[in-house]
Amino acid sequence: GAVVSQHPSRVICKSGTSVKIECRSLDFQATTMFWYRQFPKQSLMLMATSNEGSKATYEQGVEKDKFLINHASLTLSTLTVTSAHPEDSSFYICSARDPRASETQYFGPGTRLLVL
Amino acid sequence: QKEVEQDPGPLSVPEGAIVSLNCTYSNSAFQYFMWYRQYSRKGPELLMYTYSSGNKEDGRFTAQVDKSSKYISLFIRDSQPSDSATYLCAMRFDNYGQNFVFGPGTRLSVLP
Repeated sequence: GAVVSQHPSRVICKSGTSVKIECRSLDFQATTMFWYRQFPKQSLMLMATSNEGSKATYEQGVEKDKFLINHASLTLSTLTVTSAHPEDSSFYICSARDPRASETQYFGPGTRLLVL
Repeated sequence: QKEVEQDPGPLSVPEGAIVSLNCTYSNSAFQYFMWYRQYSRKGPELLMYTYSSGNKEDGRFTAQVDKSSKYISLFIRDSQPSDSATYLCAMRFDNYGQNFVFGPGTRLSVLP
């Protein structure tokens, strides 16, 4: 299946700093990528839909000024958690839709963020 | 009523058992149905996808969709300890621009 990578896999930062997470589709071009957050033992919660060349679409309750999304190319989307706080500690997962098989969505391995 | 419902488990079975995982949904417009497996601290991995009603088999896994009952199932035959994970169902409308809706996931433990 298609491959999606994420970097970094784990990050620990101090409260108030900003953290950037990259999501790359390695063997296909993804016009649409998605960012999810997952708390322990809970399901995926969609945060935003990232569209190449246009603004991201945020889900209700997600602060767009806090979670900045940039989809600069067809293989890269970035999520920046600005002024991170301990409550932002979570598992962040991106996914990308493979246009060769529009009904499928492939996930990255996730990034574990711990804000001290 | 949530759009997609799934028993969170945990579901514990002995090795070799047949496992049945299920999701129900409320919106009859869903057309594509997927099952993902997620190991602890990892991203979900696509296991199966089906379009509309019917069955699809892949090795030890069988996905079943019953649109009339708004009910989908994933069967795992000859379950192995390595199958221990959280299984998420997902579905979407027949619209390229529409995102997926995920179930909350069922935690499965296969005991050796």
